[in-house]
Amino acid sequence: EAGVTQSPTHLIKTRGQQATLRCSPISGHTSVYWYQQALGLGLQFLLWYDEGEERNRGNFPPRFSGRQFPNYSSELNVNALELEDSALYLCASSLWAENTEAFFGQGTRLTVV
Amino acid sequence: SQQGEEDPQALSIQEGENATMNCSYKTSINNLQWYRQNSGRGLVHLILIRSNEREKHSGRLRVTLDTSKKSSSLLITASRAADTASYFCATDAAAAGNKLTFGGGTRVLVKP
Repeated sequence: EAGVTQSPTHLIKTRGQQATLRCSPISGHTSVYWYQQALGLGLQFLLWYDEGEERNRGNFPPRFSGRQFPNYSSELNVNALELEDSALYLCASSLWAENTEAFFGQGTRLTVV
Repeated sequence: SQQGEEDPQALSIQEGENATMNCSYKTSINNLQWYRQNSGRGLVHLILIRSNEREKHSGRLRVTLDTSKKSSSLLITASRAADTASYFCATDAAAAGNKLTFGGGTRVLVKP
């Protein structure tokens, strides 16, 4: 069974550009989480989607947005990139919204230059 | 601030020794989970312990949960060099909208 897949693995953008990150959850999982992890730090919660709807949002500016598609895959968009957006972006999926373990992808390393 | 906070931030031990790390949280939780991350890659789920459970085991891992103290501990027995990683606790709590929130992690170095 395929795990959570994220694409691309690495992404280099210049300041002011837009970045789109993609996540495919494990088959049958309806919940998708997005996290930002700056180098050497913990995971900062970004977004949580379940059954196509946004369930919760972290303390990030509106230029961070996303969506979940009918097949439960998800997309994270970051507009007007800033240097401090450089980080590892991790996606995780779970079977349903609460009380279950989350399975992580390998992440997208975003570098803003 | 984070719902879960790990302590210590870093831990260095010799192979064969036990490693213990703690996690404290602020509000009542539904459950608490522990994850491992190797070298900035994706996280791997280790153990989930529900709020009505006090202890769980998985191989060389032992997790305890004390809801009265709002804390949990992860014990790795007979550590190996391959256990070198960062360990994170994660909680989901109704007060936080049931989202899965991670602490800052404990970096564990197991020296051969």
